Amino acid sequence: EAQVTQNPRYLITVTGKKLTVTCSQNMNHEYMSWYRQDPGLGLRQIYYSMNVEVTDKGDVPEGYKVSRKEKRNFPLILESPSPNQTSLYFCASSRDRAQETQYFGPGTRLLVL
Amino acid sequence: DAKTTQPPSMDCAEGRAANLPCNHSTISGNEYVYWYRQIHSQGPQYIIHGLKNNETNEMASLIITEDRKSSTLILPHATLRDTAVYYCIARTLLYGTSGSRLTFGEGTQLTVNP
Repeated sequence: EAQVTQNPRYLITVTGKKLTVTCSQNMNHEYMSWYRQDPGLGLRQIYYSMNVEVTDKGDVPEGYKVSRKEKRNFPLILESPSPNQTSLYFCASSRDRAQETQYFGPGTRLLVL
Repeated sequence: DAKTTQPPSMDCAEGRAANLPCNHSTISGNEYVYWYRQIHSQGPQYIIHGLKNNETNEMASLIITEDRKSSTLILPHATLRDTAVYYCIARTLLYGTSGSRLTFGEGTQLTVNP
């Protein structure tokens, strides 16, 4: 089944404790991105990647890192999480950079205390 | 980026057509209109997209006005499972790169009632 998976789905952590949210897609998609969703602000893009070893900032990249060492994986790294990063996070992928259709993962709900 | 404006909420009776409007008066000539929906905090789901002509697929129809300043998503026979937040998005090209960005606003909460 074609899908985007994220882990963990739920995470509670404390300020400053590094964490990684994994994202994997099995559709051989070139393009992957991370979004966060907050009440009243909609979905905002954090980072995106157009292919292996090619990443770039989205609208709200501060406090986040990403890497794209393999085509299928696009982890999101929070080196020193803060409470304002409490949010619902979505990973997405699409066939290529034209983004005709983006496929979204199920989401990761993060709470930073 | 072309801003889109949608009503915050709408209701529809089950089995009837749901018509969701979207205004995008500043859309440029090479920007597509995309529609996604999100069911109760699940990942957004692609529905349909178009540039100038009306489009139809197995999920919905998209009607774009001739001046492209507005569009309507039509779910021909709404079911309870169509209750979701529907997002109308103008696809933005990132000049200087080869990528593009989808900017999600607040969308329209569609509630389909029995």
